[in-house]
Amino acid sequence: ILNVEQSPQSLHVQEGDSTNFTCSFPSSNFYALHWYRWETAKSPEALFVMTLNGDEKKKGRISATLNTKEGYSYLYIKGSQPEDSATYLCAFLNSGYALNFGKGTSLLVTP
Amino acid sequence: GAGVSQSPSNKVTEKGKDVELRCDPISGHTALYWYRQSLGQGLEFLIYFQGNSAPDKSGLPSDRFSAERTGGSVSTLTIQRTQQEDSAVYLCASRRNAESNQPQHFGDGTRLSIL
Repeated sequence: ILNVEQSPQSLHVQEGDSTNFTCSFPSSNFYALHWYRWETAKSPEALFVMTLNGDEKKKGRISATLNTKEGYSYLYIKGSQPEDSATYLCAFLNSGYALNFGKGTSLLVTP
Repeated sequence: GAGVSQSPSNKVTEKGKDVELRCDPISGHTALYWYRQSLGQGLEFLIYFQGNSAPDKSGLPSDRFSAERTGGSVSTLTIQRTQQEDSAVYLCASRRNAESNQPQHFGDGTRLSIL
């Protein structure tokens, strides 16, 4: 079992605030780092798959960065909206197929 | 279908009974995974199927758990003699292939409750 740590465990922000979360993972045998958004009563939805050190990816107001040498990734949300409320999961791929998930960061955005 | 389909969506059963969970992956996806999330825990890998290769069963928590994938498509996860600690959300995911840059596509899960 590979340790994937996410922080904070939960976060409560006001609409319009920008926020970020951290995912840390083992820096050896790196294949890929995945981010997923899991809304209540829905299935987890893929946000980003990052494979190269220094990768930066963006989807609308959400972006992510990757540092494979030090073993961390940041997820940023600019101008949070209530519909961004969800659990954000990161997962580390070290052998090409088995994802190791963190426990997630639960985000609540209130109007 | 358009996405990964799982059934049933909810299952309540008595301790000691056997249960069978079904997953229908996205058509053409060669990789299929089962995970579970117990209360307060992260997603736990259970088993992985890739094409016609032997499955990776390294995540199955006990020999009461088994899974099969028939014809490279539909998969069933079977739990025999269920215990209360088996209560969890069981998620299935499929992936186009084994390339590391491919995301996983998840079903809505089966919420299993063992009384």
